[in-house]
Amino acid sequence: AAGVIQSPRHLIKEKRETATLKCYPIPRHDTVYWYQQGPGQDPQFLISFYEKMQSDKGSIPDRFSAQQFSDYHSELNMSSLELGDSALYFCASSTGTGGLRDTQYFGPGTRLTVL
Amino acid sequence: GNSVTQMEGPVTLSEEAFLTINCTYTATGYPSLFWYVQYPGEGLQLLLKATKADDKGSNKGFEATYRKETTSFHLEKGSVQVSDSAVYFCALRGGTASKLTFGTGTRLQVTL
Repeated sequence: AAGVIQSPRHLIKEKRETATLKCYPIPRHDTVYWYQQGPGQDPQFLISFYEKMQSDKGSIPDRFSAQQFSDYHSELNMSSLELGDSALYFCASSTGTGGLRDTQYFGPGTRLTVL
Repeated sequence: GNSVTQMEGPVTLSEEAFLTINCTYTATGYPSLFWYVQYPGEGLQLLLKATKADDKGSNKGFEATYRKETTSFHLEKGSVQVSDSAVYFCALRGGTASKLTFGTGTRLQVTL
């Protein structure tokens, strides 16, 4: 079965640089979520989109922005990178929105290292 | 707000031992509950889920029962294998939020 695809899988950036992470949801999934997992920590919700509209917002820094495109893929743009942004960034997808029974399927993650 | 509390790890067991990882939650309304597993260097995989009280989720020998009276969703397995070594996350999705709220994760190490 098709899964969530994330690219790149690994990314190394310098401080103050920018980064763009991409997420391709499971076919026919219209909701995308972004999570950040620091070393040894649990995933923290950043932001989500349904039908190209932001549906929920968590602890996403102002330096980050995201969007969902017409083909449902999503991109997370990160600017003025800081050392503390080094983490594993997960994308997840699901069908529907707001439904309490939706299950989120996670991609393999993008490991961002800021030097 | 919503929160999930998991027992701290690491949990070290011998192969074929019985596993219990405790998970309790705080949420308004009737959340859906999940267990995700993360193998070394990999992403999060859905292990099992339960969407209403008294539901039992099961997969690959793992089980968890949604207990509303004790606000718990403990993960159990009767006989663990070395290949079960991973980090296990309890999570909930509830109220009007679409996001998942995770516990801190419990690392399980199974030895021969």
